[in-house]
Amino acid sequence: DAGITQSPRHKVTETGTPVTLRCHQTENHRYMYWYRQDPGHGLRLIHYSYGVKDTDKGEVSDGYSVSRSKTEDFLLTLESATSSQTSVYFCAIEDGSYEQYFGPGTRLTVT
Amino acid sequence: DQQVKQNSPSLSVQEGRISILNCDYTNSMFDYFLWYKKYPAEGPTFLISISSIKDKNEDGRFTVFLNKSAKHLSLHIVPSQPGDSAVYFCAASAIRGKLIFGQGTELSVKP
Repeated sequence: DAGITQSPRHKVTETGTPVTLRCHQTENHRYMYWYRQDPGHGLRLIHYSYGVKDTDKGEVSDGYSVSRSKTEDFLLTLESATSSQTSVYFCAIEDGSYEQYFGPGTRLTVT
Repeated sequence: DQQVKQNSPSLSVQEGRISILNCDYTNSMFDYFLWYKKYPAEGPTFLISISSIKDKNEDGRFTVFLNKSAKHLSLHIVPSQPGDSAVYFCAASAIRGKLIFGQGTELSVKP
């Protein structure tokens, strides 16, 4: 298994609060990604990173920001959580082969 | 606009028989295609991929076929086993790192 962990694994938060999800890898891969999974939509790309301090937006980036200050950590922040951001969030890493390897996911509930 | 579609939400197959999962796409710029398997409460795991320069790729019991003229790919699992029961996602890429996923097909393999 790829060395990729996510924390927390579960979180319940209230509307309007900021939330930060963490993705940590031990593989030293350059590429990292954040997705959300919702019924009927598969997985949708939120943000991605091609290296330290090098990030870009995906298809559903509104309301989210990311930071990557170290190769091993990629943080996803919900600036002001809304109920529409209730979802399962997956981080993925890639070694340059086009094949992405996913973490175990974080289930986020916004009440 | 869904660029990658899996039109069958579910599929049920008898153990030992062939499972065929289908995926259609609309963007002719996609040049790399992947299949992922997902068990409940886990992250997706990479199964098999194919480049647009090929029309077939095999890995053990798994074979992916690509028909570029029809913009269609399929995953064949032979023989199917109960442990193959999971949700299968197809994904496509036109720009490196940006995977577009289908909605998923839930495969149930009955003993």
